[in-house]
Amino acid sequence: AQSVTQLGSHVSVSEGALVLLRCNYSSSVPPYLFWYVQYPNQGLQLLLKYTSAATLVKGINGFEAEFKKSETSFHLTKPSAHMSDAAEYFCAVSYTGANSKLTFGKGITLSVRP
Amino acid sequence: NAGVTQTPKFQVLKTGQSMTLQCAQDMNHEYMSWYRQDPGMGLRLIHYSVGAGITDQGEVPNGYNVSRSTTEDFPLRLLSAAPSQTSVYFCASRRGLAGSTDTQYFGPGTRLTVL
Repeated sequence: AQSVTQLGSHVSVSEGALVLLRCNYSSSVPPYLFWYVQYPNQGLQLLLKYTSAATLVKGINGFEAEFKKSETSFHLTKPSAHMSDAAEYFCAVSYTGANSKLTFGKGITLSVRP
Repeated sequence: NAGVTQTPKFQVLKTGQSMTLQCAQDMNHEYMSWYRQDPGMGLRLIHYSVGAGITDQGEVPNGYNVSRSTTEDFPLRLLSAAPSQTSVYFCASRRGLAGSTDTQYFGPGTRLTVL
């Protein structure tokens, strides 16, 4: 069965600091991996996705993530946090199978301190 | 395009009442789904549909019914509301079917409270 693990529920960084949100996946077949962001009282918006092309994926708002098969990881990073990055971030996984569904992690809340 | 729309935005029900959460998309997407979001639980799939007339259960289907009579609409019915169904409900759609890498688009959500 496919799943993703997001360790911790809350990350706090200072404005201008590096953002690192961790995601590890479990999948018996090559996965597709996604990061979504949810701003307060809104729906989810796609940040970026890995679809087996390039292992380093660039997304919107300066975020990027690197697929590392050896570590079964797909961590999300941003070099310099901005106040507007404060939100909840979800990692999700699916795969190529006929009955594949999108499975979400529990989410991480990012706070940005001035 | 309006994208994915959901109504109502907020709803309060009493235990045992029934209601329908509406979802519509104007992108001609085949795949539509319903999730519930609870604190610390992420998003969990309730039901999904791969086209008009075709629906299937997700991870947490009990207490919910769906139907898909048109490509555009995918309503979620609560037959007899229970406090455990207090949650935020999101509808989503995407162009591709199972195993797709297509972007999934989410509606703004319905916040449901069952007393």
